[in-house]
Amino acid sequence: DTAVSQTPKYLVTQMGNDKSIKCEQNLGHDTMYWYKQDSKKFLKIMFSYNNKELIINETVPNRFSPKSPDKAHLNLHINSLELGDSAVYFCASSQVPGQGYSGNTIYFGEGSWLTVV
Amino acid sequence: AQSVTQLGSHVSVSEGALVLLRCNYSSSVPPYLFWYVQYPNQGLQLLLKYTTGATLVKGINGFEAEFKKSETSFHLTKPSAHMSDAAEYFCAASKGGGSQGNLIFGKGTKLSVKP
Repeated sequence: DTAVSQTPKYLVTQMGNDKSIKCEQNLGHDTMYWYKQDSKKFLKIMFSYNNKELIINETVPNRFSPKSPDKAHLNLHINSLELGDSAVYFCASSQVPGQGYSGNTIYFGEGSWLTVV
Repeated sequence: AQSVTQLGSHVSVSEGALVLLRCNYSSSVPPYLFWYVQYPNQGLQLLLKYTTGATLVKGINGFEAEFKKSETSFHLTKPSAHMSDAAEYFCAASKGGGSQGNLIFGKGTKLSVKP
């Protein structure tokens, strides 16, 4: 009954490859996110989608392309992987954008550990 | 720009001792504030949050935090540490809904609990 699930959990790949991380939420939420946690454990938002529409796109290389086929899914595709892309990528979801509403919580997946060698 | 500062990247306490993890925010408008916990190799779990109303917020696992506007702080406390509390704790802030609603995280504080 996982609320926000990501696959794969671990991914080791070579530089230059293209890879995707999939995310699905079964909470009926309208908004989904991708966050990146670097080697120093620092977390930062990358993208946010509301009803399949992009609403937040932080300064992220255009090698990263999110795709939302429907409200329950937000996949992250990364082209031409670089060593610096090694990180933990967290998918998350919430009922509405942001956490400015009492009771509106952002739920995180368990993370996808990406290692680029 | 809004920022969140967590004092101390690593805090070590003895089992049964008080846990105090510090968080300060920098914002001209008081943001909404959150504490998340991350256990090893796991995702983030919400401990508690402050949006409006009572400034002392109680969360899961016996944790609580107090929003102090005058000090721009939102420190996390627990009266008695348990071994299972060992984890990474993140303070986060949000200005609210819409495109400003994304979370700004602090750099995290690793809590170790000694027997």
